[in-house]
Amino acid sequence: EADIYQTPRYLVIGTGKKITLECSQTMGHDKMYWYQQDPGMELHLIHYSYGVNSTEKGDLSSESTVSRIRTEHFPLTLESARPSHTSQYLCASKRGQGSYEQYFGPGTRLTVT
Amino acid sequence: GDSVTQMEGPVTLSEEAFLTINCTYTATGYPSLFWYVQYPGEGLQLLLKATKADDKGSNKGFEATYRKETTSFHLEKGSVQVSDSAVYFCALGSFGDMRFGAGTRLTVKP
Repeated sequence: EADIYQTPRYLVIGTGKKITLECSQTMGHDKMYWYQQDPGMELHLIHYSYGVNSTEKGDLSSESTVSRIRTEHFPLTLESARPSHTSQYLCASKRGQGSYEQYFGPGTRLTVT
Repeated sequence: GDSVTQMEGPVTLSEEAFLTINCTYTATGYPSLFWYVQYPGEGLQLLLKATKADDKGSNKGFEATYRKETTSFHLEKGSVQVSDSAVYFCALGSFGDMRFGAGTRLTVKP
């Protein structure tokens, strides 16, 4: 059973607010990911990290930022939320080299009004 | 680059019907192949996988065979249930990373 957690599960917030979506895993995985999932269900990689102090941008440009100060924690921040940020955000992790399987959290559904 | 193409949805079936969701891939090396499932309101869960040609992955009555000659990894189930209603993602793992298909939504009606 994968142990990866995301909070909050649902968030409704007004335009211009700063928000942080939390993601934590207890598996000691090195690599972590953030995906944005559109209404058509397709996944878009927006950020990933190889380990502590490593962050990279993904395939889809995003105004969000991430940090990786601890192995288990990979928060995503939006400095000023806009309605275009309304989406489902999924966090995932995997072991290092030699493994492809990603383990996903339950997701955060963000609505910006 | 490496990529996965899966059958467009949505797919609607009656309970006990046979399911096939097509998935084909393009890869330069020898990828591992996966099917993930996403139930409503949840994240993705690994359903099954195959790591080399002719391997068959299976779980919960679902099966998929890694076919190198047709570059395919089609998902099948002999008799679907209402509880199988979900979005299914085909995925390819190569060179340390994973590529997901666009997802296929399955609805099973009683």
